[in-house]
Amino acid sequence: DVKVTQSSRYLVKRTGEKVFLECVQDMDHENMFWYRQDPGLGLRLIYFSYDVKMKEKGDIPEGYSVSREKKERFSLILESASTNQTSMYLCASTPVAGGYRQPQHFGDGTRLSIL
Amino acid sequence: QQPVQSPQAVILREGEDAVINCSSSKALYSVHWYRQKHGEAPVFLMILLKGGEQKGHEKISASFNEKKQQSSLYLTASQLSYSGTYFCGTDLYSWGKLQFGAGTQVVVTP
Repeated sequence: DVKVTQSSRYLVKRTGEKVFLECVQDMDHENMFWYRQDPGLGLRLIYFSYDVKMKEKGDIPEGYSVSREKKERFSLILESASTNQTSMYLCASTPVAGGYRQPQHFGDGTRLSIL
Repeated sequence: QQPVQSPQAVILREGEDAVINCSSSKALYSVHWYRQKHGEAPVFLMILLKGGEQKGHEKISASFNEKKQQSSLYLTASQLSYSGTYFCGTDLYSWGKLQFGAGTQVVVTP
């Protein structure tokens, strides 16, 4: 089974802090994704990466950046955290082969609170 | 570009049926369905591909109407374990990059 591990289940940070959310997958998947989940809005794509050092903006990239230095690890960075970034963050991965035929495998999520 | 899901919520008694719809304004390569229970990660249910292919997962099945760019998820003879929030994800470009709907909350009661 694919395992996608997010470093923290719960995280509390202060406004203005630089925040790092880490995600690691163990199946050598090329594609990795960061989503934000808010009630009534579903999952919204922040950034995705299709290979090491490659990244593309999703639908709501403002206030976020990402880093992918190794294939298995995809980091989401909040450059200067703000209260409106309080949310559940989900990481997912999928292989390139088969593209749209492949399911996404999700981590358990990080519930981030910015005070 | 976010697909539209309906209804927003549904309450069922055990054994009843329900249909969840997912509509897109754009042509799709595939539609994915996921279920998320409270406090857990979304779990993959099935993928529907271009060509109207219909897939099933136990008593949960789905269809994809390519002409209407609409997918429907059918919960048949619902069980308590079917409770959760169901999301559809649509792939416009065949890269595996999905746009998710807002979700449909399903509550199955005894």
